[in-house]
Amino acid sequence: DADVTQTPRNRITKTGKRIMLECSQTKGHDRMYWYRQDPGLGLRLIYYSFDVKDINKGEISDGYSVSRQAQAKFSLSLESAIPNQTALYFCATSPGISNQPQHFGDGTRLSIL
Amino acid sequence: GNSVTQMEGPVTLSEEAFLTINCTYTATGYPSLFWYVQYPGEGLQLLLKATKADDKGSNKGFEATYRKETTSFHLEKGSVQVSDSAVYFCALTTSGTYKYIFGTGTRLKVLA
Repeated sequence: DADVTQTPRNRITKTGKRIMLECSQTKGHDRMYWYRQDPGLGLRLIYYSFDVKDINKGEISDGYSVSRQAQAKFSLSLESAIPNQTALYFCATSPGISNQPQHFGDGTRLSIL
Repeated sequence: GNSVTQMEGPVTLSEEAFLTINCTYTATGYPSLFWYVQYPGEGLQLLLKATKADDKGSNKGFEATYRKETTSFHLEKGSVQVSDSAVYFCALTTSGTYKYIFGTGTRLKVLA
């Protein structure tokens, strides 16, 4: 089984709909992150969380919200989806130790029509 | 602020050719450096890492050396295979921060 699991893998929806992307991990890491990937822009950080009670905005949090339901679960919501939120979304984890790599899920491809 | 610059792609090579993908960085403090690989339809996977100057990370025939004097971490492989076709990301993080900084990715296409 994958260490970092994202659901769904693909989603097509309409403008104005509410969408939730889910992420769960079995690595036991404290830190969890949500990124979006757009062609030519690399990865941009949306939100990050150091534990259940510690959630922080990243560089592009407008239009998104998150919930850390447990150490192992971190979900991303788009309250009212718009077409420019069409992207590939990744969840990642890292241990609470400096200078260690992140571990990524396989991504959710989201298309908003 | 911290940043990572990597060469733009795509890079197209024939099988068994030598590969170099350039990566340079700016960072305060002493960063750890990473190369990730992303195969089609998958997430980023750690390829190799180096945590201090002059360290050499290596994995699956790929190598990169942490060069503090030139602030570089270039990825090399002596003989690429078709299966190496993917997007490669250079990244860094520094002690005491939450943040990982990624380059924009370099697409590699290897032709048989």
